[in-house]
Amino acid sequence: KAGVTQTPRYLIKTRGQQVTLSCSPISGHRSVSWYQQTPGQGLQFLFEYFSETQRNKGNFPGRFSGRQFSNSRSEMNVSTLELGDSALYLCASSQFSLAGLPNEQYFGPGTRLTVT
Amino acid sequence: AQSVTQPDIHITVSEGASLELRCNYSYGATPYLFWYVQSPGQGLQLLLKYFSGDTLVQGIKGFEAEFKRSQSSFNLRKPSVHWSDAAEYFCAVGAQDQFYFGTGTSLTVIP
Repeated sequence: KAGVTQTPRYLIKTRGQQVTLSCSPISGHRSVSWYQQTPGQGLQFLFEYFSETQRNKGNFPGRFSGRQFSNSRSEMNVSTLELGDSALYLCASSQFSLAGLPNEQYFGPGTRLTVT
Repeated sequence: AQSVTQPDIHITVSEGASLELRCNYSYGATPYLFWYVQSPGQGLQLLLKYFSGDTLVQGIKGFEAEFKRSQSSFNLRKPSVHWSDAAEYFCAVGAQDQFYFGTGTSLTVIP
């Protein structure tokens, strides 16, 4: 099976612009989660989508949004970029067990966003 | 509230020495526990997981971890470290609403 893919891998934007990142999960995985990773902060949970519905959301401002398509591919969008948004954005996909609890998450290589 | 603590921000070991990375969690129910490794510029790779059963779990690359409910810990171990093990290691709890990650432990391996 192909792994989780993220595009683009690298992105440079200026303050005030907006950006859209894309994630294609492993085939058959219906859950897609997004994380922001910065030095010293570890992985901060942004949101999780399952079957096109946002089920969970982390503590990020409304400038961060996402969506999931019927084929489980997901996009996240950041509007009005700030310098502090510079980070590695990771996407992860997973299956859920019958009990509704998560199996392991499989991560993509990430998109490195630099805001200047 | 759920949380994961990795008390060691950075650890340095000599090649061939043993390794233990600490992880403590706070979670109200039986946790699903994971260890991931991240090499520079890469995404996270799953090393091992604990769902239930035997509290000593084996993973890839010679790693193992032991779940201790009484101590709320899930420490990662390796008997003999290789230079290629230098990376960032993350412990995580999988809950119903999301995964909770620790802030990571950076491992340096001295030749």
